[in-house]
Amino acid sequence: GAGVSQSPRYKVAKRGQDVALRCDPISGHVSLFWYQQALGQGPEFLTYFQNEAQLDKSGLPSDRFFAERPEGSVSTLKIQRTQQEDSAVYLCASSFTSGPFNEQFFGPGTRLTVL
Amino acid sequence: AQSVTQPDIHITVSEGASLELRCNYSYGATPYLFWYVQSPGQGLQLLLKYFSGDTLVQGIKGFEAEFKRSQSSFNLRKPSVHWSDAAEYFCAVGARDMRFGAGTRLTVKP
Repeated sequence: GAGVSQSPRYKVAKRGQDVALRCDPISGHVSLFWYQQALGQGPEFLTYFQNEAQLDKSGLPSDRFFAERPEGSVSTLKIQRTQQEDSAVYLCASSFTSGPFNEQFFGPGTRLTVL
Repeated sequence: AQSVTQPDIHITVSEGASLELRCNYSYGATPYLFWYVQSPGQGLQLLLKYFSGDTLVQGIKGFEAEFKRSQSSFNLRKPSVHWSDAAEYFCAVGARDMRFGAGTRLTVKP
């Protein structure tokens, strides 16, 4: 595709429900990143994949958050037993190589609202 | 720990006026620095980046930024603002695990 796509664009969940957010990176991009952006804040790093390997998950806020990229392309961010504080926009980004100075291309985000 | 401070939450400038958005960083080594722009409903777009070399960096859309190590700053500038520049601007530091500032919202008056 032309860019990073994310689905769904909007998700409303009741507190305690599990949600799954999907990211389709740009084809051929090695690296994939997830960020959480709370209202009025900048994005906060959650986790990073190089191909299928999750190399950094230091930003995941709790063990309710889980990310995977089993075939090194599409990634899913799963949040179990959602809480109100999980309400945010979840951004996915990809970059062509694994180098640290490579441009990250961002998707439009998934806005999660937990009631 | 690496961090970024954007002191201005909201800035309003007139169309055609010059613009400077401030960014201060904290980083243990030579920082990777970035400026991104986020328009409503759009993904973050990279304006420019710096790691080494010339401390004045040119980016897209007529933006530039200057790295000043002594001031731990990486301010974004544009000589003449266009109405389409109205957006949220984020400064970021780091490598793969980028740390973003809270953003500066730019409003452009006609």
